[in-house]
Amino acid sequence: AQSVTQLDSQVPVFEEAPVELRCNYSSSVSVYLFWYVQYPNQGLQLLLKYLSGSTLVKGINGFEAEFNKSQTSFHLRKPSVHISDTAEYFCAVSGGGYNKLIFGAGTRLAVHP
Amino acid sequence: EAQVTQNPRYLITVTGKKLTVTCSQNMNHEYMSWYRQDPGLGLRQIYYSMNVEVTDKGDVPEGYKVSRKEKRNFPLILESPSPNQTSLYFCASSLPPGEDTEAFFGQGTRLTVV
Repeated sequence: AQSVTQLDSQVPVFEEAPVELRCNYSSSVSVYLFWYVQYPNQGLQLLLKYLSGSTLVKGINGFEAEFNKSQTSFHLRKPSVHISDTAEYFCAVSGGGYNKLIFGAGTRLAVHP
Repeated sequence: EAQVTQNPRYLITVTGKKLTVTCSQNMNHEYMSWYRQDPGLGLRQIYYSMNVEVTDKGDVPEGYKVSRKEKRNFPLILESPSPNQTSLYFCASSLPPGEDTEAFFGQGTRLTVV
């Protein structure tokens, strides 16, 4: 069975500092990996996705993620965060014949001035 | 504009009073699903539908029903709501998972059952 673990439930960071949100997955088959962002009182929006090919994936708003098959990780990074990046971030996995996205528990990113 | 529309956004109801949350998408997607979001648990799938008249249970289907009579609509029905169904609900649509899939989410429905 597939599962997703987001290693940090909350990440506080100061504005303009770098940030990494960690995500590990378990799956016995090839999967597709996603990061979604949820701003307050809104639905989820796709940040980026890994389907195949280059392991470094660039997304919207300056975010990027690196797929590491040997470590079964898909960590999200941004070199310099803004106040507006304050949101909840969800890592998700699909594929391998499963008819659904499986989400991690979420990481709440709080950017402070 | 591609979108998934849920209604209502907020709902307070009493235990046992049947309710329906509507969901509509304008992208001609075959696959639609309902999730509930609870603190510390992320999003868990309630039901999904691969196409018209084809629905199946997700991870937490107890206490919920769905129907898919038209491709664009996928309502969530709570026949007899209970307080443990107080949650934030999201409808999503996409191409079938396993393909180049981006799921599009509605704005959410915050349900409180008292």
